[in-house]
Amino acid sequence: DAGITQSPRHKVTETGTPVTLRCHQTENHRYMYWYRQDPGHGLRLIHYSYGVKDTDKGEVSDGYSVSRSKTEDFLLTLESATSSQTSVYFCAIKKGGQGPNTEAFFGQGTRLTVV
Amino acid sequence: SQQGEEDPQALSIQEGENATMNCSYKTSINNLQWYRQNSGRGLVHLILIRSNEREKHSGRLRVTLDTSKKSSSLLITASRAADTASYFCATDEAGGSYIPTFGRGTSLIVHP
Repeated sequence: DAGITQSPRHKVTETGTPVTLRCHQTENHRYMYWYRQDPGHGLRLIHYSYGVKDTDKGEVSDGYSVSRSKTEDFLLTLESATSSQTSVYFCAIKKGGQGPNTEAFFGQGTRLTVV
Repeated sequence: SQQGEEDPQALSIQEGENATMNCSYKTSINNLQWYRQNSGRGLVHLILIRSNEREKHSGRLRVTLDTSKKSSSLLITASRAADTASYFCATDEAGGSYIPTFGRGTSLIVHP
């Protein structure tokens, strides 16, 4: 499992509340990613990080922010949760740097429901 | 936007048959990867093929890549019920930031 832990695994929250999801890795890899998975859309990149305090936006970043104050933790925050953010969220890492020929390793996912 | 698009969206076969899934993509790539996702679980990497490779094997998996057609195929031979899962292709764009961009996936059901 590449030492990736996502927490919480399940969460139900109310519209308008802030929510933070955590991705923790134990192997000190530099590159970390947050994706969301929705039926009919596959996985879409929200944000990614290429080091401590170095982050960038992905395809569907509106309404989300991230922080990476330590190598091992990559936090995804929904500033004010909306029903459209109901989804399954996956964290991923790349081992061996961000070279062109490395695969990604995924966490088990967080199922978020916004009511 | 989605880079890879898998075809078919769904595939249902009997155990022992071969399963073939296709992936088309839009831009030049460094590599193409295939992943498997069992229901309710995270994605598991299966195989990576580089842009200068045309075919790659791993156990019962065979992947081909045709960069002129911007397409790839994943063949699972002698399928088993345990192969039931969703399969995704992902690409790392050439000249990009090496971020895997995924398609929508193929749902494979293998009947015992």
